[in-house]
Amino acid sequence: NAGVTQTPKFQVLKTGQSMTLQCAQDMNHEYMSWYRQDPGMGLRLIHYSVGAGITDQGEVPNGYNVSRSTTEDFPLRLLSAAPSQTSVYFCASRPLGGGAYGYTFGSGTRLTVV
Amino acid sequence: AQSVTQLDSHVSVSEGTPVLLRCNYSSSYSPSLFWYVQHPNKGLQLLLKYTSAATLVKGINGFEAEFKKSETSFHLTKPSAHMSDAAEYFCVVRDTGKLIFGQGTELSVKP
Repeated sequence: NAGVTQTPKFQVLKTGQSMTLQCAQDMNHEYMSWYRQDPGMGLRLIHYSVGAGITDQGEVPNGYNVSRSTTEDFPLRLLSAAPSQTSVYFCASRPLGGGAYGYTFGSGTRLTVV
Repeated sequence: AQSVTQLDSHVSVSEGTPVLLRCNYSSSYSPSLFWYVQHPNKGLQLLLKYTSAATLVKGINGFEAEFKKSETSFHLTKPSAHMSDAAEYFCVVRDTGKLIFGQGTELSVKP
C-alpha cells in the first residue's frame, strides 16, 4: 500500500547511544519532514527536505541530523540520545507545488531514552 | 509567522450530542488551514482542509469547519458525536510550506 513507512515502531535507548529512525515513502513526494510529538505541545518540526540533497532545520533541530540521498528515504539520526528526546516521532511527506496539499503521515516511532 | 491556538485542551461530550472544537489562527495573509485527527497510538489523519475556496469545509466522518476571517477562527463541528470520534484533534496552519500545529484538543465521548 502506498504511504509513509516508519521503522521501528518502538525503541528504548540508553543515554548516549545513537540510532537512526527510518522513514520511506513510495508516492514520489519531494517534500519530507520529521516531527516530534510531546504532550500538550502538538507536533513540532525537527528537520525537513524539499528534495534529494536538500535539507533544512525546523523548529527543534538540536540533537538530530538528517540526510536525503534519495527521493524515497529520509532518515533521522540521534547521535547521542538524551532523556529529553523521549517522544513520539512522525515522518510526513507531500508533493511540492502550489495549493494546500494534505500531508501523509507515518504511524510514528515511540522512542524512550533512559 | 503564522500560528494557531486551540482554545480547549479537553472537551467531553455525550454520544449523540454536537461537537465543537475551537481554533483561532494568526496570519498576515489568507492561510491554509487543516484539521487532523489522531486516534490512540495511531498516526495522524487529515479530516479536512481550507484553501480559500468555500468558507464552509466538509470533511470525513461528518465533520465540518467554517473559516471566519472576521473572527480569525476555524472551529471544527459535528452534529452528533459517535464513540469512535474519541481522539485527539489538531488544528494546523501551513506556513511557507511547513505545518504549524496547535497544542491539540482531546475529545472524550461518553455513552
